[in-house]
Amino acid sequence: DSGVTQTPKHLITATGQRVTLRCSPRSGDLSVYWYQQSLDQGLQFLIQYYNGEERAKGNILERFSAQQFPDLHSELNLSSLELGDSALYFCASSPPTRRGNEQFFGPGTRLTVL
Amino acid sequence: GIQVEQSPPDLILQEGANSTLRCNFSDSVNNLQWFHQNPWGQLINLFYIPSGTKQNGRLSATTVATERYSLLYISSSQTTDSGVYFCAVASGGSYIPTFGRGTSLIVHP
Repeated sequence: DSGVTQTPKHLITATGQRVTLRCSPRSGDLSVYWYQQSLDQGLQFLIQYYNGEERAKGNILERFSAQQFPDLHSELNLSSLELGDSALYFCASSPPTRRGNEQFFGPGTRLTVL
Repeated sequence: GIQVEQSPPDLILQEGANSTLRCNFSDSVNNLQWFHQNPWGQLINLFYIPSGTKQNGRLSATTVATERYSLLYISSSQTTDSGVYFCAVASGGSYIPTFGRGTSLIVHP
């Protein structure tokens, strides 16, 4: 158990719908990262938040958005869902250190869009 | 951005065998991690190893940063070692890792 929690574990929804994925980082970690893992694209970085502020952006679609709350949990919002959005979505957290950035991953949310 | 290549892409072993997985990267790195993704999809941290050598039980890893590669050694493999092994690296001023495509390992009893 990495200490990072994600809910829900599974989500099945229809095209055009909107869903929210939730992540709680490890105690003491200030950074939260979101990743998408699909069969054809592999593991892709979406976005990073650090202590409530957006820090880095990757291959995140405009239909997707995220935020980190004062208690440091984060939510990833996916809207106008398409079949191609079906994937495993991971959240990771890392400690506030200058020397590196070891990331710890949550169990993931498996999203199926029908 | 940095390029990450893992080899071999697929590996099939008999229980008890040893193996070496390789990760080549195209630039100097400030961050390198090895992960195991089990058949249930969970990503498990194996090593945080931007340089040097580490060991944890039957697993060990070595990163030669000057030559831009890292190796993961699995000894006396077990069926529970099956899954996909990922190398993830970050370089320059960014600590956002780029993942390789992984090595898919199947260990037969």
